[in-house]
Amino acid sequence: QVQLQQSGPGLVKASQILSLTCVISGDSVSSNSAGWNWIRQSPSGGLEWLGRTYYRSKWENDYAVSVKSRIIINPDTSKNQFSLQLNSVTPEDTALYFCARGRGGLHYFDYWGQGTLVTVSS
Amino acid sequence: IVLTQSPGTLSLSPGARATLSCRASQSVSSNYLAWYQQKPGRAPRLLIYGASTRATGIPDRFSGSGSGTDFTLTIRRLEPEDFAIYYCQQYGSSRYNFGQGTKLEI
Repeated sequence: QVQLQQSGPGLVKASQILSLTCVISGDSVSSNSAGWNWIRQSPSGGLEWLGRTYYRSKWENDYAVSVKSRIIINPDTSKNQFSLQLNSVTPEDTALYFCARGRGGLHYFDYWGQGTLVTVSS
Repeated sequence: IVLTQSPGTLSLSPGARATLSCRASQSVSSNYLAWYQQKPGRAPRLLIYGASTRATGIPDRFSGSGSGTDFTLTIRRLEPEDFAIYYCQQYGSSRYNFGQGTKLEI
């Protein structure tokens, strides 16, 4: 059974860096058949995919256009986890952040973390 | 691709049949369309992928259909635990996105 456990601060100041970690159990961050994603949900309920990291002979990343200039998603094979770094946050980045496993080359999301509410204070 | 879900809110009684729609602004490649259920305070739960394949452990009262730009999630004989918000998601391109959701209420 795959489980994803998220951690990270719930409060970040504007212009600072948002950092979250997702620990994987029951699968490997280096899996050739999965990708590891970050998705957020705005206070109004809309879901937004932010990006992913995945291994296919080498490490690759895809990022949403909306955050591409300020996002980094990194794998950590030694701890079987992956992380989200979102730079220069604003109050508009306030959201519930989820990590999720994506299946296949193009993803649907079959396992999700529990969610972390991140508030960006001005 | 923009996904538009309708209706925004659907009010039904337990035992009824629910029909939720997801319309894409352009054709979804290979019918790579998924449906999720979300309850308050919880992460979304995968119900359907590939437009019509039920995920592991999903009851057979949930079914998905459609192709191209028009997709449907049908829930026959609603159970009390089915009242939630439902989202569709396309993964036909690597820029994944979701519909805005349909709230299914009693």
